[in-house]
Amino acid sequence: NAGVTQTPKFQVLKTGQSMTLQCAQDMNHNSMYWYRQDPGMGLRLIYYSASEGTTDKGEVPNGYNVSRLNKREFSLRLESAAPSQTSVYFCASSEWTASTDTQYFGPGTRLTVL
Amino acid sequence: AQTVTQSQPEMSVQEAETVTLSCTYDTSENNYYLFWYKQPPSRQMILVIRQEAYKQQNATENRFSVNFQKAAKSFSLKISDSQLGDTAMYFCAFRVDSNYQLIWGAGTKLIIKP
Repeated sequence: NAGVTQTPKFQVLKTGQSMTLQCAQDMNHNSMYWYRQDPGMGLRLIYYSASEGTTDKGEVPNGYNVSRLNKREFSLRLESAAPSQTSVYFCASSEWTASTDTQYFGPGTRLTVL
Repeated sequence: AQTVTQSQPEMSVQEAETVTLSCTYDTSENNYYLFWYKQPPSRQMILVIRQEAYKQQNATENRFSVNFQKAAKSFSLKISDSQLGDTAMYFCAFRVDSNYQLIWGAGTKLIIKP
């Protein structure tokens, strides 16, 4: 059971380049999330997907797009990277039941935009 | 606006001592859930403990316990018999019953000294 996996672990981009961050979970969770973590701050939600086929904006969606490819996979795309998007990106998944809604996190992707 | 405040940017204690991390939050909702997550140097976010606001009894998980004061909107984490492996960033977070989004504090860096 790998849990939540993310690729790549590290990436350096030049301003204006595009890239897609991949996330997959093998826990059969319905909900998936993308966060960014900046120094001295907590996590901020970029987008989330409550279930397969749905996506919603979080706190900081500008400059990003997402795709919930199937129940397992949720990708985050930067169409035209900017230095302000330098951050650590975390994917998470959760299953909502009457007794639990714990989010499980991937190992993160450290992205630098020059 | 819903916010989470962690007033201690950094703390350090000797191994085997007890340490308490503070967290206050602000919401007008009555039903919500509170979390403490640990982020070691590996960057992996790990759930430490979870508390439902409607439960008066404080949650405990082995050496970790919380002091939940609903009226004061306070949710502190106590770590007993601290170990070197407890060295990490600790994040307080909450979400309201009607929303998927977790609201995060800025974190407290905890250092356990040998």
